[in-house]
Amino acid sequence: GAVVSQHPSWVICKSGTSVKIECRSLDFQATTMFWYRQFPKQSLMLMATSNEGSKATYEQGVEKDKFLINHASLTLSTLTVTSAHPEDSSFYICSARRGQGEQYFGPGTRLTVT
Amino acid sequence: KNEVEQSPQNLTAQEGEFITINCSYSVGISALHWLQQHPGGGIVSLFMLSSGKKKHGRLIATINIQEKHSSLHITASHPRDSAVYICAAHFGNEKLTFGTGTRLTIIP
Repeated sequence: GAVVSQHPSWVICKSGTSVKIECRSLDFQATTMFWYRQFPKQSLMLMATSNEGSKATYEQGVEKDKFLINHASLTLSTLTVTSAHPEDSSFYICSARRGQGEQYFGPGTRLTVT
Repeated sequence: KNEVEQSPQNLTAQEGEFITINCSYSVGISALHWLQQHPGGGIVSLFMLSSGKKKHGRLIATINIQEKHSSLHITASHPRDSAVYICAAHFGNEKLTFGTGTRLTIIP
């Protein structure tokens, strides 16, 4: 099946710094990429949807200036957590979709802000 | 309201048992996903289906559109099948609505 990778798989950063997470579709062109956040023992929560070459659509309650999403190519989307705080510590998961086809999920990135 | 419900929440079984996880949804959907999440967190897409039945190895997924219900079956379960299984539905728009997950533990 299709493969989606994320980098890094885990990151620890200090409060106030910014962290960039990459999501790549390795063997297909993803017209749409999704970013999710997951707290322990909870389900995935959609943060934003991004289409290649256009601005991301953020879900209600998600700060677009804090969670910057760039989908510059059909195989790469990035999520930058700006001025990170301990409450931003979470598991961030991306998924990618080609057209209206199946969504493929990345392995996730565990962010810890100290 | 778009809702997805899974049952059971937790399931413990002996190795070799036949496993069934259920998923019900509130209104018509365009597609339903079954996902697997291991303790490390990574998510694997198992199936996407909109009708009928799909099989991959020991995993079988079925969906009944009229009853708004889907099941995931695991035959000859193995400890490595221990994970959280999540169903997620497309209610005709971009977003997936996720169930709360079923935590499966297979005891050797």
